[in-house]
Amino acid sequence: NAGVTQTPKFQVLKTGQSMTLQCAQDMNHNSMYWYRQDPGMGLRLIYYSASEGTTDKGEVPNGYNVSRLNKREFSLRLESAAPSQTSVYFCASIMNTEAFFGQGTRLTVV
Amino acid sequence: RKEVEQDPGPFNVPEGATVAFNCTYSNSASQSFFWYRQDCRKEPKLLMSVYSSGNEDGRFTAQLNRASQYISLLIRDSKLSDSATYLCVTAGGYNKLIFGAGTRLAVHP
Repeated sequence: NAGVTQTPKFQVLKTGQSMTLQCAQDMNHNSMYWYRQDPGMGLRLIYYSASEGTTDKGEVPNGYNVSRLNKREFSLRLESAAPSQTSVYFCASIMNTEAFFGQGTRLTVV
Repeated sequence: RKEVEQDPGPFNVPEGATVAFNCTYSNSASQSFFWYRQDCRKEPKLLMSVYSSGNEDGRFTAQLNRASQYISLLIRDSKLSDSATYLCVTAGGYNKLIFGAGTRLAVHP
């Protein structure tokens, strides 16, 4: 049982480049979330999807877009990466308020 | 002001010690409360839920005080393997989890 699979694990981008972080869960959960984690800040919610076909902004959505492709997959896109987006990104699938996280993506924007 | 506040630590304790972490939250509409554990460079994992009546899981005891909007975690008989960052978490509508910045615990021999 894979749980939540997140790719890639590491990525270095140049300022202005774009990329998509992929997330898939095999637990048949309705809710999926994208967080970023920065030192001293804790995890901050970027976007979430309460169910297939819906997405909503979280605390720090600027500079990001998301797609809930189907019940399993929830992707996060950076259209024009900025150094301020250097962070660790976690995807989570949530059932009954318990969150199951992917292993994280360490993104550096230079 | 952050919605969930924690002392960042670090708490440096010897093996066998008892250590307590506290957390305050500002949203009185929060419905559920949790402690997550995060090891270095790993994803967070659920440690335990927190109930108004207090709950215990082995060496870990969690307490919730809704009137004061305060959550605590007590770890008894600390082990080296307890070294980690402990995240205080609240949940409201749509399963939205709000994380504190975490409290770092280092248990030494």
